[in-house]
Amino acid sequence: GQQVMQIPQYQHVQEGEDFTTYCNSSTTLSNIQWYKQRPGGHPVFLIQLVKSGEVKKQKRLTFQFGEAKKNSSLHITATQTTDVGTYFCAESMEYGNKLVFGAGTILRVKS
Amino acid sequence: NAGVTQTPKFRILKIGQSMTLQCTQDMNHNYMYWYRQDPGMGLKLIYYSVGAGITDKGEVPNGYNVSRSTTEDFPLRLELAAPSQTSVYFCASSYIQGNSPLHFGNGTRLTVT
Repeated sequence: GQQVMQIPQYQHVQEGEDFTTYCNSSTTLSNIQWYKQRPGGHPVFLIQLVKSGEVKKQKRLTFQFGEAKKNSSLHITATQTTDVGTYFCAESMEYGNKLVFGAGTILRVKS
Repeated sequence: NAGVTQTPKFRILKIGQSMTLQCTQDMNHNYMYWYRQDPGMGLKLIYYSVGAGITDKGEVPNGYNVSRSTTEDFPLRLELAAPSQTSVYFCASSYIQGNSPLHFGNGTRLTVT
């Protein structure tokens, strides 16, 4: 079945450092979504990418969709303690297909 | 709008007991999902529904059952609880499957001992 590779599994950064998490698929994707889950909370939708090479920004967060639509990244500039949590990508291979979640990247920020 | 509401928040079951996790949404979404999340792991799809009266299995359906009698409600039933079902359960809904955001409930933390 469809598998979503997300790396790294865990990252611990100093406040103010940058952070990046990556998702890779062996197949071409219809779209990819990113979610954030705070400790003890539920996943919250951040963004959806649909177009090849698409780049979207939300304040300090930059999301990219690869040209081949097989990979994606989430980059956080100058992390803050409020960025702490687990970041998940979720992939859909075809329009109308169920989302498959990656294992997530746990981000811890030292102040 | 309350969004997606799950009850209970916490529950401890003994092996072999049964229970129903409740989920309701007020966004008029056709699509609803049940996920489980084990510590340090991602979200595994248990069951999903594309509309009232229609349900289908996800990745890990064994030991669970669902029903969808109305658009709003999507309860998850555990018939014979086992320790392997200790997990956090999330219900979610969406407007379109795969191409619109999932709205999650706050989750139910279940322990089976």
